Amino acid sequence: DAGVIQSPRHEVTEMGQEVTLRCKPISGHDYLFWYRQTMMRGLELLIYFNNNVPIDDSGMPEDRFSAKMPNASFSTLKIQPSEPRDSAVYFCASSKRPLVPNTEAFFGQGTRLTVV
Amino acid sequence: EDKVVQSPLSLVVHEGDTVTLNCSYEVTNFRSLLWYKQEKKAPTFLFMLTSSGIEKKSGRLSSILDKKELFSILNITATQTGDSAIYLCAVEVENFGNEKLTFGTGTRLTIIP
Repeated sequence: DAGVIQSPRHEVTEMGQEVTLRCKPISGHDYLFWYRQTMMRGLELLIYFNNNVPIDDSGMPEDRFSAKMPNASFSTLKIQPSEPRDSAVYFCASSKRPLVPNTEAFFGQGTRLTVV
Repeated sequence: EDKVVQSPLSLVVHEGDTVTLNCSYEVTNFRSLLWYKQEKKAPTFLFMLTSSGIEKKSGRLSSILDKKELFSILNITATQTGDSAIYLCAVEVENFGNEKLTFGTGTRLTIIP
């Protein structure tokens, strides 16, 4: 398996534009997580899915953020409209349920988003 | 609200020194605690701890969990420049039949040659 695949790797966009981040989890993993990482706040959980169903979106900053998982192999995180304070690295991670000993959530390489 | 706090936020030591990184937590329905190392890109897994008092060891790295005092430490002995990274602590909690990972902000470790 190629691991968790995220695209794009980098995105620079103007304030007000819509941004869509994509994630392909590892096949067979029931859980998918979206995280945002900044210097100030570290790694924050935005939302996670279990079997394609959103379980907890309490970490989503505001209504400008939305996430979908239409099937077991694909998820999107959308920001509309984007703002400069959304600039961060966005990670997608997937895991089996439950996390058995000595396994872990596998992370994608992240999308570095810059909103100017 | 679940909380994971790491200290120190940043640490700079000389090669060969031993370091101890701390992680304390306040969560409901604790299941496990995990340590990750993040260099340039995605975090990579180090350890998962579920039981108090049992040390996990991998080379120069070791970690232990205290479920009574709600903390874990990560030790690195004889540090090398390749140990420079952000070390992340995460706690897995059960959430109405589901599990989620909550991360601390990380400790940025810099090893000076």
